Amino acid sequence: EDQVTQSPEALRLQEGESSSLNCSYTVSGLRGLFWYRQDPGKGPEFLFTLYSAGEEKEKERLKATLTKKESFLHITAPKPEDSATYLCAVGSYGGSQGNLIFGKGTKLSVKP
Amino acid sequence: DTEVTQTPKHLVMGMTNKKSLKCEQHMGHRAMYWYKQKAKKPPELMFVYSYEKLSINESVPSRFSPECPNSSLLNLHLHALQPEDSALYLCASSQDPPNEQYFGPGTRLTVT
Repeated sequence: EDQVTQSPEALRLQEGESSSLNCSYTVSGLRGLFWYRQDPGKGPEFLFTLYSAGEEKEKERLKATLTKKESFLHITAPKPEDSATYLCAVGSYGGSQGNLIFGKGTKLSVKP
Repeated sequence: DTEVTQTPKHLVMGMTNKKSLKCEQHMGHRAMYWYKQKAKKPPELMFVYSYEKLSINESVPSRFSPECPNSSLLNLHLHALQPEDSALYLCASSQDPPNEQYFGPGTRLTVT
């Protein structure tokens, strides 16, 4: 069964304190791994797509990496405005077309 | 332009009311989705339209009725909802075959 697990559930950082969020996955053929940012009461904002092990993508203070079993979202020198819930989702060739499997998310709080 | 729009932003309805949620995208995407999201949970897939045809219905109660008038528009008709249907309803779109999905801002629905 396809599965996505994110850790930790919540992460509190001081401004400037770098850290990483983890997304572990089990899928029958990875079609893509997707990272989203979601602010309270709003729709998820697309950040990155990763397709194959070894791939990396960067955007401002965020860097996403992918292995055959997990993905990391590295946050370098975070600012309070980076506070949000970060969602990881995978698409599987074995699942229904269009069906993304979401993790439960990591709630990030960055204090000034 | 990676914008998906949804109206209304907020909706309060009684259990005997009929209302509709609307979604629009102009990215040329041929797949559109409806999700339901409860507080502190990831989005939960409800319906998928591919080339204006319903391709996935994730065992959603019949009080939710989707409609795709054309490739840019998606509606969700609501009738005789229950208080437990109160949630954030999200629309998304993607290329077909699907890669990353782009989400709208959501409609906050409260059923009284």
